[in-house]
Amino acid sequence: GAVVSQHPSWVICKSGTSVKIECRSLDFQATTMFWYRQFPKQSLMLMATSNEGSKATYEQGVEKDKFLINHASLTLSTLTVTSAHPEDSSFYICSARSGLGDETQYFGPGTRLLVL
Amino acid sequence: DQQVKQNSPSLSVQEGRISILNCDYTNSMFDYFLWYKKYPAEGPTFLISISSIKDKNEDGRFTVFLNKSAKHLSLHIVPSQPGDSAVYFCAASETSYDKVIFGPGTSLSVIP
Repeated sequence: GAVVSQHPSWVICKSGTSVKIECRSLDFQATTMFWYRQFPKQSLMLMATSNEGSKATYEQGVEKDKFLINHASLTLSTLTVTSAHPEDSSFYICSARSGLGDETQYFGPGTRLLVL
Repeated sequence: DQQVKQNSPSLSVQEGRISILNCDYTNSMFDYFLWYKKYPAEGPTFLISISSIKDKNEDGRFTVFLNKSAKHLSLHIVPSQPGDSAVYFCAASETSYDKVIFGPGTSLSVIP
């Protein structure tokens, strides 16, 4: 149980384009989903927290107009990197939490984004 | 300022011996602590957690110890196995409902 998937696992795009990453909880309903990014040899940095049906809460320093987060259902959250630039190249990881007696965050496998 | 610190970036241990991974934190409001294991290019996998009402939690080969007065926790793996080789992240939050802050990770290598 508690499986989280991400799609795509790899994406290469040109500078200036937008990229959408999906995060799905496959066998549970996630009241809260989190988006992290990880640069090489660094820790996971929380970007934003999203609760189903409400606006995401962004961490300090994260541009909400650049990283659009939508949590439209209890099993799906999307992160859209708008007008991507090479410095946005990173490993993006989502996690999901059911909030129903189990507060553990279950992580997806991550999405590697390379902006050329 | 880093709220969760893992001062050893790497650790090597012989197979069968004990691995001890350490973690320190600065935020006295943290009350819930977790350990995650991560392989390259994969998402972290939850290992074990502990809340501040306990000082020890055990799950199979994994035991987490918490010393709240010292703001220190450790993960013990015994016996260590080659498959345990991965990066281990210590993480903390104020409650189990709050956002989780991750440490920088410790890369564990278990040598056969």
